[in-house]
Formats: sequence, structure tokens, C-alpha cells
Amino acid sequence: GAVVSQHPSWVICKSGTSVKIECRSLDFQATTMFWYRQFPKQSLMLMATSNEGSKATYEQGVEKDKFLINHASLTLSTLTVTSAHPEDSSFYICSARGGGPYNEQFFGPGTRLTVL
Amino acid sequence: QKEVEQNSGPLSVPEGAIASLNCTYSDRGSQSFFWYRQYSGKSPELIMFIYSNGDKEDGRFTAQLNKASQYVSLLIRDSQPSDSATYLCAATRFNKFYFGSGTKLNVKP
Repeated sequence: GAVVSQHPSWVICKSGTSVKIECRSLDFQATTMFWYRQFPKQSLMLMATSNEGSKATYEQGVEKDKFLINHASLTLSTLTVTSAHPEDSSFYICSARGGGPYNEQFFGPGTRLTVL
Repeated sequence: QKEVEQNSGPLSVPEGAIASLNCTYSDRGSQSFFWYRQYSGKSPELIMFIYSNGDKEDGRFTAQLNKASQYVSLLIRDSQPSDSATYLCAATRFNKFYFGSGTKLNVKP
């Protein structure tokens, strides 16, 4: 299957700082990338959908000024959590579409963010 | 009504048994269906996809699709403790992708 990487795999930061998470499709060009958040023992929550070269589409309730998404190329999307607070601590997972014939999504390994 | 519904479980089966995971979807226009497995603390991993009515087999896994009933299932034969995970069902229509909340499967040795 297609491979998606995420970096970093975990990060601990102080409240008020910004954190950038990278998502890369390693062996295919991702026409669309998705960002999810998952709290412990809860289901995936789609935060936003991004297409290369255009603005991300955010789901209802997700603050676009707080979660900045940049999809600069067909293999790279970044999520920046600005002015992070403890309630932003979560498991952030990206996925990419474009590596398979049936529009399947391939997930990155996730980034665990802890805000102190 | 959610686009994709799954029983949250947990579903407990003994080792070697068949585990049957079910999913229903509300949009009759849904085109493709996917099963993902998610181990605790890890991201989802694609197991199978299906887009035609009927069964699709891959090793110990069989996906079943019934578009008339808007029903998708995943059968896991000869269940192993390593199959214990949360299984997510997803449906797509054009560019929208809808995930169920997942069913937790416990396979007891």
C-alpha cells in the first residue's frame, strides 16, 4: 500500500507556543490530504480537508486561525497548532488520498501532542 | 442520523472463532466502502475495500456489501488475539469520506 509519514511522532510543548506537524506521501502524489484529531477512547474527528495549492476546508467547529493548514505540494501538508493550550493535547493523524484506484485514504502514523 | 453507523462493542469472540463486524450507511449514493483496523494508540490501517455487491475475500478477511440493505460487514475467520483492535467502517461518495465510530473487537485466547 501507499506510505504516508508524519513528523514528529510525538511532541511536548509549553502552553502558548506553536507546533508544526508535517505529513508526507512518500511514494505517491496526494491529491487530497486530511487532518484528524482523536482523543483517548474516542473516534476519529475530521478537522479539515486540503487540496494542493488551495485553501483547506475546515469542519464545523474547527478554528481555522488556530489550526493552520498548508498543502504546499502534492506530497506535503502541514498542520500548525498556534498558541497551543492543554485542551489541544490529542493524537493528530493525517491521511492522504491519491495512491490507490478507489480513492482510499492512507493514514500516517500520527503525532501525539502534549501541551503543558 | 450519522452517515455511517457501527455498534461500538466490545465484541468478544474466542480465539479461532469467526468475528462478524457490521456497519450500515445512510446515503444510497455511497460508492465505495472501506474497513480499517486501529490498534490502541496507533493510526488506522486499511484492511479491505469493496464497491460491488457480494463478497470479497482476502486471506482471513471477507468483506460483504449489500447495497439494497445499505449494509457492509467484515468477517474475520480463525480470529487471533492479534486481531483485537477497533475496526472502522468508512463510506465514500464523490470526494466525501465518512467514518463510523468503530467497533472494538476482543479476541480471547
